[in-house]
Formats: sequence, C-alpha cells, structure tokens
Amino acid sequence: DGGITQSPKYLFRKEGQNVTLSCEQNLNHDAMYWYRQDPGQGLRLIYYSQIVNDFQKGDIAEGYSVSREKKESFPLTVTSAQKNPTAFYLCASTSGAGGRSGANVLTFGAGSRLTVL
Amino acid sequence: QKEVEQNSGPLSVPEGAIASLNCTYSDRGSQSFFWYRQYSGKSPELIMSIYSNGDKEDGRFTAQLNKASQYVSLLIRDSQPSDSATYLCAPRRAGSYQLTFGKGTKLSVIP
Repeated sequence: DGGITQSPKYLFRKEGQNVTLSCEQNLNHDAMYWYRQDPGQGLRLIYYSQIVNDFQKGDIAEGYSVSREKKESFPLTVTSAQKNPTAFYLCASTSGAGGRSGANVLTFGAGSRLTVL
Repeated sequence: QKEVEQNSGPLSVPEGAIASLNCTYSDRGSQSFFWYRQYSGKSPELIMSIYSNGDKEDGRFTAQLNKASQYVSLLIRDSQPSDSATYLCAPRRAGSYQLTFGKGTKLSVIP
C-alpha cells in the first residue's frame, strides 16, 4: 500500500543534541512537507520541498534543517538551535501544487513525537 | 498574515445530533478548503474538501462555503461517539503548495 512512513514514532533528546526525523513516501509525490504541532495548536509549516534538491522555508524554519536528495525521502534535523523542540512532528506529501479543482490533497504520515529531556 | 479562526471548543453534542463546526479565514486568495479530522495522538486525515460556494455533501458530512463572507463550515449529521476528535480547517490558494491550518475545534459526542 502507498503511504508515508515516519520514524521513529517516539524520540527523546537531551538538550544540545541534534536529532533527525525520517520521512519516506512511496506515493510518487513530488512535494513533501514538515509540520510541527504543539498541544492545542494547529499545524505550523517548517519546511517544504517541491522537487528534488530544492526546498523552501515555512513559517517556523529557525532551528531546523532539511534535505531532499531523493524524491522519496525528506528528513528533518532538529538542531540544538531550536529552543523548544518538544512537539509532534508531521510529514506530509502532495503530488503537486493545489489547482482550482483542489487536486493534490495533503496526505500525512503517522507522526513523530519528540521530547527533550 | 494569513489567519484561520476556529472555536477551540470543546463542542459537546449528544449522540444523533447535528454538530456544526465553523471556520473563518483572512486570505481572500484562498480557493480550496479542506477539513481534516485528528484523533488524539494521531495524524490528521482528510474528511472533506470544497472549492465552490454552496454545499457539498458526502455521507453524514456537509461542507458549506461562502467566499464572500470568508466562511466555511462542516456539518456532521447523526453524530456518533467515533466522531469525537479535533477538526482542523485549512484553506489554500490556487497554485500554492501551502495550507494554512486553524487551531482546530475539539468535538465531543456524548453517548
């Protein structure tokens, strides 16, 4: 079955450490995204990538980095510069940009929950 | 600044009643509108999408859109306890890769 796989599901980090969250999709989607969700909050966009070897900052990119070396993969690194990294991280993908018909619906992975100790 | 406003709730309705969830948005360039359901601790899943003014029905769900008023709503008929979740509203501009999410409305259906 096609889908988005995120790993690990749960991750604990000590302060000062960088951690990398994995996101792999087999939907043949061109665009991939990383969102962050805090309790009682909506989803905030961290980074997104429209094509391989290209990505753009979202609303809250500071303290995060990404790469897009393969179409299927879009890993997110939470660096030590991120002051409050404890959150639920969601990876998503679409086949392209939204058209008037509303094609290219955002599909999510199961999420990764990061806790800083 | 694009803003999407939703009542945070919790919205409590008895089983079998109609639940009405509302969303207003500030970006007049928004052309596609999505409702996602998110169970506690899980990722969002798409419930409905709507692109034209008026109503769109899918089973027990009806999405309503009024672009002039910058308002979109989701009605859930014959509410079930399994509908208890947080519902996220997300508009998107045509040709854009980005969705802007509201903070969500928490719905509780009481048996």
